[in-house]
Amino acid sequence: AQKITQTQPGMFVQEKEAVTLDCTYDTSDPSYGLFWYKQPSSGEMIFLIYQGSYDQQNATEGRYSLNFQKARKSANLVISASQLGDSAMYFCAMREGQGYNTDKLIFGTGTRLQVFP
Amino acid sequence: EAGVTQFPSHSVIEKGQTVTLRCDPISGHDNLYWYRRVMGKEIKFLLHFVKESKQDESGMPNNRFLAERTGGTYSTLKVQPAELEDSGVYFCASSSDRFPYEQYFGPGTRLTVT
Repeated sequence: AQKITQTQPGMFVQEKEAVTLDCTYDTSDPSYGLFWYKQPSSGEMIFLIYQGSYDQQNATEGRYSLNFQKARKSANLVISASQLGDSAMYFCAMREGQGYNTDKLIFGTGTRLQVFP
Repeated sequence: EAGVTQFPSHSVIEKGQTVTLRCDPISGHDNLYWYRRVMGKEIKFLLHFVKESKQDESGMPNNRFLAERTGGTYSTLKVQPAELEDSGVYFCASSSDRFPYEQYFGPGTRLTVT
């Protein structure tokens, strides 16, 4: 069965430091996509970054990068130069396959990140 | 460009009552998804519309839940009758035909059944 595991319920990081949020996944489908979403206290889910299973390079979006290790089935999110505004819940998610039938996302339980001054 | 909007933001109802949640996707997005997060658990997929058609409703928990998307624009999710275990946050997301996997989420509706 497809599954996303986030083993860190909470993480603390000091402002300006880098932090890694862990995510492992399980799937038997060779085609899949991995996502990270941020959920601040206001409640909306903000799309951060996407990695396709066939992408050769790790995805990067500004201060966010995805450390994709296919053999280990891990897709950790790295936030560089943390800011106070990064404090939020972070969800890792996976999409399996291609096409309309398989665009549903499977989520992990989330990691709450707190950035302190 | 307006994002995905959901109404209401909060709803408190008694067990046995009916509640209808509404989602307005980003304009032009054919794909619309409903998810929910029950307290302390992961966010789970409920169903997926492509325009007005239900593409995948494998996540709908039971027949007390009814989703519609008349005209392929906004969608409603009705819970009738509500049970205590239906409490949680209901998210709606939408994506375009061109980038179907880039799902943009709304702020969610927090449903509390007492």
